[in-house]
Amino acid sequence: GAGVSQSPRYKVAKRGRDVALRCDSISGHVTLYWYRQTLGQGSEVLTYSQSDAQRDKSGRPSGRFSAERPERSVSTLKIQRTEQGDSAVYLCASSVWTGLAKNIQYFGAGTRLSVL
Amino acid sequence: GQNIDQPTEMTATEGAIVQINCTYQTSGFNGLFWYQQHAGEAPTFLSYNVLDGLEEKGRFSSFLSRSKGYSYLLLKELQMKDSASYLCAALDSNYQLIWGAGTKLIIKP
Repeated sequence: GAGVSQSPRYKVAKRGRDVALRCDSISGHVTLYWYRQTLGQGSEVLTYSQSDAQRDKSGRPSGRFSAERPERSVSTLKIQRTEQGDSAVYLCASSVWTGLAKNIQYFGAGTRLSVL
Repeated sequence: GQNIDQPTEMTATEGAIVQINCTYQTSGFNGLFWYQQHAGEAPTFLSYNVLDGLEEKGRFSSFLSRSKGYSYLLLKELQMKDSASYLCAALDSNYQLIWGAGTKLIIKP
């Protein structure tokens, strides 16, 4: 398709388990972002990566969150040892290039993660 | 620190005009975005301002004052489908988007 797609749309995980969320970005887009969106608290950037086949470069937040980019237009957000506070909507967004001031980001519909 | 403030919720009447304000404090500034997000859907781009002034795009307009760290989104001739959350986000010196918590706009008939 022409847009950003994320899978799964919904994920339920037991506390302490690892989860992986997938994002297929728009072909040709260089920069890919992962955000965590919680009700009333807005969106927090977790990681971003530029170009292809590179690991997350942002280092935010460190430790349990990491992103891999096995292909130019695919990213996987991995959350290790999930906690109940990780329950949120995880949004993926891509943009043509991060260096341009007009950094319009195109978003996927998100993955709603519930940690029990 | 970096911070974006916008009202949590606003209510307006169909056919009326509403202004959603946003103030920002960021490390450097490379522009301000407004996104619309319907419940359960992805945010969609509405506008981008980097210079002072008003930019109009149909029923939606966005204003920026860099000296005041202030922006607003103006929606005219409100329609029921405009009920959504409106997200303000500022682009900092590292070209990272700093997001507000969003303003939930409720449109009443």
